[in-house]
Amino acid sequence: AQKITQTQPGMFVQEKEAVTLDCTYDTSDPSYGLFWYKQPSSGEMIFLIYQGSYDQQNATEGRYSLNFQKARKSANLVISASQLGDSAMYFCAIGGYQKVTFGIGTKLQVIP
Amino acid sequence: DGGITQSPKYLFRKEGQNVTLSCEQNLNHDAMYWYRQDPGQGLRLIYYSQIVNDFQKGDIAEGYSVSREKKESFPLTVTSAQKNPTAFYLCASSGGGTYNEQFFGPGTRLTVL
Repeated sequence: AQKITQTQPGMFVQEKEAVTLDCTYDTSDPSYGLFWYKQPSSGEMIFLIYQGSYDQQNATEGRYSLNFQKARKSANLVISASQLGDSAMYFCAIGGYQKVTFGIGTKLQVIP
Repeated sequence: DGGITQSPKYLFRKEGQNVTLSCEQNLNHDAMYWYRQDPGQGLRLIYYSQIVNDFQKGDIAEGYSVSREKKESFPLTVTSAQKNPTAFYLCASSGGGTYNEQFFGPGTRLTVL
């Protein structure tokens, strides 16, 4: 079984500052992937970044980076230089064989 | 452009009527998925299909049905047996692989009156 926990229902960040969104996970799969998705108010789910459980280095994609700490079972998303367009729901997810399990999300609001 | 399309974006139906939500992908992905999202909630898996003519129940399959006659298409029928069908429905596809990275369509917002 897989489980994702996102404990921050809402976060505020000042424009141009960095913000960390927390995610912890649990799984019995020896090999898995961790993902972050962004959901703006329009509703579509936008894939942001991905980390494989055996990857040695933390994943980065532009202003997004994934702080992966396998021993602590955490996969936090770091957004650098926040922009107003970053205001959205953010979902952490874990993927293994056949299925992906999502967390309940964190609502991020960027303040001008 | 490759992607996933869902239609319609907004759908209204009367209580007791079956309704079918469309999902089409041209990514050549083998696997397709249907999720339900309620306000303030995460995504819950309804059904998924790994290959054509085969599909599996997810966590909340009761009151829903699917078919997978073509690789590109995975329609979802919300039946009258679904007690609370008003929700946002998202379709996704995946090329498989070890980690099952999924790509999503724009979603259909279903309101049952």
